[in-house]
Amino acid sequence: DVVTTQSPLSLPVTPGEPASISCRSSQSLLHSNGYNYLDWYLQRPGQSPQLLIYLGSNRASGVPDRFSGSGSGTDFTLKISRVEAEDVGVYFCMQGLQIPVFGQGTKLEIK
Amino acid sequence: LQLQEAGPGLVKPSETLSLTCTVSGGSINGRNNYWGWIRQPPGKGLEWIGSIHSNGNTYYNPSLNSRVSMSVDTSKNQFSLRLSSVTAADTAIYYCAKHDLWLVQLAYWGQGTLVTVSS
Repeated sequence: DVVTTQSPLSLPVTPGEPASISCRSSQSLLHSNGYNYLDWYLQRPGQSPQLLIYLGSNRASGVPDRFSGSGSGTDFTLKISRVEAEDVGVYFCMQGLQIPVFGQGTKLEIK
Repeated sequence: LQLQEAGPGLVKPSETLSLTCTVSGGSINGRNNYWGWIRQPPGKGLEWIGSIHSNGNTYYNPSLNSRVSMSVDTSKNQFSLRLSSVTAADTAIYYCAKHDLWLVQLAYWGQGTLVTVSS
């Protein structure tokens, strides 16, 4: 079975400071088409998840440019350049090369 | 594009959970139109249940495969989920969503509907 592991699971951040979340897969997520099948989602309190980053590094429509995704193969990172209050919530990575599998989630809170 | 889940909020153990997702603001048909169901037990993480293409091809989570079925009704712009032999472990918020690419890129989500399994 493919395992998707996120870290940290809890992330307290001061507004204006950067934040970084790691996602690791037990198998490479690099498709034969050259794209990494790894997305990032944010679930704000009481809301449905929303797509932030798709195929490893592409920002979804309407997502602020302070969010960026990087990585390839088995190791990926979501970075927020300057955290704002509205960024509070749980961040999930999801890999979909074989079957969609979500990471455990990282809860970002404001210090 | 908007998605809206509908179905009973309470299902008895051993019975079948049935949910429908109505798509508005766009057609359910289309070569690149893939639709999925994801669930989230209260206070826990996300689990993919399965996905269906507008032509009816399906792919289910192996852990649920024997109990899951999905279908598409293009005349109603809807797709559906059936999960049989439910137990308390199936209590969750059920979301429908649209993939922009098969098995990834869930770009649109419904608001979710809580289904409780209890007698």
